[in-house]
Amino acid sequence: DIQMTQSPSSLSASVGDRVTITCRASQSISNNLNWYQQKPGKAPKLLIYAASSLQSGVPSRFSGSGSGTDFTLTISSLRPEDFATYYCQQSYSSPYTFGQGTKVQIK
Amino acid sequence: QVQLQESGPGLVKPSETLSLTCAVSGYSISSGYYWGWIRQPPGKGLEWIGSIYYTGSAYYNPSLKSRVTISVDTSRNHFSLHLSSVTAADTAVYYCARVTGSYNFDYWGQGTLVTVSS
Repeated sequence: DIQMTQSPSSLSASVGDRVTITCRASQSISNNLNWYQQKPGKAPKLLIYAASSLQSGVPSRFSGSGSGTDFTLTISSLRPEDFATYYCQQSYSSPYTFGQGTKVQIK
Repeated sequence: QVQLQESGPGLVKPSETLSLTCAVSGYSISSGYYWGWIRQPPGKGLEWIGSIYYTGSAYYNPSLKSRVTISVDTSRNHFSLHLSSVTAADTAVYYCARVTGSYNFDYWGQGTLVTVSS
């Protein structure tokens, strides 16, 4: 199985901050990397697919980059509704695995 | 608008079989896409369980493969999960989702908590 490791596990930030979350795969996955946002008690929401493509309806302050084993999710200017847990997921090979999550909290 | 809704018992006894159904509306399962199940133990991360095509072709996470069956009923536009010989470790929120051609999950149900306890 491909292991996905996110860092940090949690972070504290203020509204307006630029936030970066990293995801590393245990082997090369090309650009087969997706990002999700999950709020408490809710299902995950697809934000970014294929490493850098913005899902329809997702604000442009979210962006993704990377290929191979190292990937980044960036929120350019944090808004109150962005406080949530973020997960990466590899779609390179089955079983499709997720990172452990990064919780973005209010500073 | 594609919508998914999980249903099934919220409490299952150890060693029994967990059975859930996902009803799809706003899209015909027979039109394509894979359809999948993902679970999340309380306070933990996400685990893909398996996915199925409308033809019935299914594939599973090897960690659960011996205990999992996913089936599809195109006439009712729903698909189902059966997980046998459950233990407390199977306690989780179970989500159904649509699987895109790129193997990500673009539409999700709201999730249903299943607790394994006697």
